[in-house]
Amino acid sequence: DTAVSQTPKYLVTQMGNDKSIKCEQNLGHDTMYWYKQDSKKFLKIMFSYNNKELIINETVPNRFSPKSPDKAHLNLHINSLELGDSAVYFCASSLGGRTGASMSYTFGSGTRLTVV
Amino acid sequence: GQNIDQPTEMTATEGAIVQINCTYQTSGFNGLFWYQQHAGEAPTFLSYNVLDGLEEKGRFSSFLSRSKGYSYLLLKELQMKDSASYLCAVRARRSGGSYIPTFGRGTSLIVHP
Repeated sequence: DTAVSQTPKYLVTQMGNDKSIKCEQNLGHDTMYWYKQDSKKFLKIMFSYNNKELIINETVPNRFSPKSPDKAHLNLHINSLELGDSAVYFCASSLGGRTGASMSYTFGSGTRLTVV
Repeated sequence: GQNIDQPTEMTATEGAIVQINCTYQTSGFNGLFWYQQHAGEAPTFLSYNVLDGLEEKGRFSSFLSRSKGYSYLLLKELQMKDSASYLCAVRARRSGGSYIPTFGRGTSLIVHP
């Protein structure tokens, strides 16, 4: 049983296209996240949702739009893809988020996005 | 904002002990995590410290000093499979009331025979 699963694992697409990455967790966690890991391996928070409510929105271009239909899912849609969007995108989940009660964060296996 | 600093790369010999340091500057500190990430894989949780002192878990131990803004991860009896990137992450309270971990750039550990 995969705890945090994201699809697709690999995504190669042309500049200007629109694409989506899906994430689902079966851990019963109430907080989900999207992180971007660049070529230098720096893992940077993009968005966080707690019980379907957006609680963190870092300085991310508005071409990136997260959607959380329920607390087990957090999808990421990217419009008008650019070369600089090439990176590995990790979904993660945890229990808590507002109170600091969460102890660890479980990551999905990542989506390697390559924009050509 | 937060500032997290850890060495970029370290090398060690199989069977040895290695200490990976992490220093940080933050307000609203609420815990420090260490994660292991093998190439092409997801980060996996290793340890969590919120109080000062040493937490031991098998071959891995993690230490925290909040007053010094300092942590280290200690790996004993190194094995080849320990070659990976080790990420220090600091969780702090943000202005909106949420707690989100911020990751350092990671330390790439190379274990050689």
